[in-house]
Amino acid sequence: NAGVTQTPKFRILKIGQSMTLQCTQDMNHNYMYWYRQDPGMGLKLIYYSVGAGITDKGEVPNGYNVSRSTTEDFPLRLELAAPSQTSVYFCASSRRPGTGLDNYGYTFGSGTRLTVV
Amino acid sequence: DAKTTQPPSMDCAEGRAANLPCNHSTISGNEYVYWYRQIHSQGPQYIIHGLKNNETNEMASLIITEDRKSSTLILPHATLRDTAVYYCIVRSKAAGNKLTFGGGTRVLVKP
Repeated sequence: NAGVTQTPKFRILKIGQSMTLQCTQDMNHNYMYWYRQDPGMGLKLIYYSVGAGITDKGEVPNGYNVSRSTTEDFPLRLELAAPSQTSVYFCASSRRPGTGLDNYGYTFGSGTRLTVV
Repeated sequence: DAKTTQPPSMDCAEGRAANLPCNHSTISGNEYVYWYRQIHSQGPQYIIHGLKNNETNEMASLIITEDRKSSTLILPHATLRDTAVYYCIVRSKAAGNKLTFGGGTRVLVKP
């Protein structure tokens, strides 16, 4: 089981460039999440999805877009990269609550370290 | 969402038990307490969760007070590899199963 896979692991972008951070999970989890973590800080939720075709904003969505066309994939799109988006990005997934198991904790990917210069 | 309060940092001697406190005084019924840890810059790792009863697994024990307003994560025999930031989180009952991460407790295990 691969769990949650994120690509790329590292990326340097110039101001104004765009890119897509990839995230895929093989656990058949309905729910998926994108977080960012700035140096020395906790994680902040960017976007989340409760199923294919359904996405919603988290705490810090500005400057990002997401899509969820399949259960497995949840890409994060950065348009017009800015230095403030320099961060480590984590994707996570979880079961849908109410599935008969009480552990709805997240499985996280290993992160994408993004630098915007 | 119920907020949690944790000490920003603590040290622990290798081989000794590490007791990590967490206050969640506004927790409501049926809200679970989750603990995660993050080693260096890796993705957070699930440790344990609980509702009312004390819980134990191969990694740690979770003690929840009877009024559920606080909990303690216990690492029974801390090793150097347990050096990490530990997050106590109350899982939101709102739609989306969202977890809100606070600042956590930075635990340093010393030889």
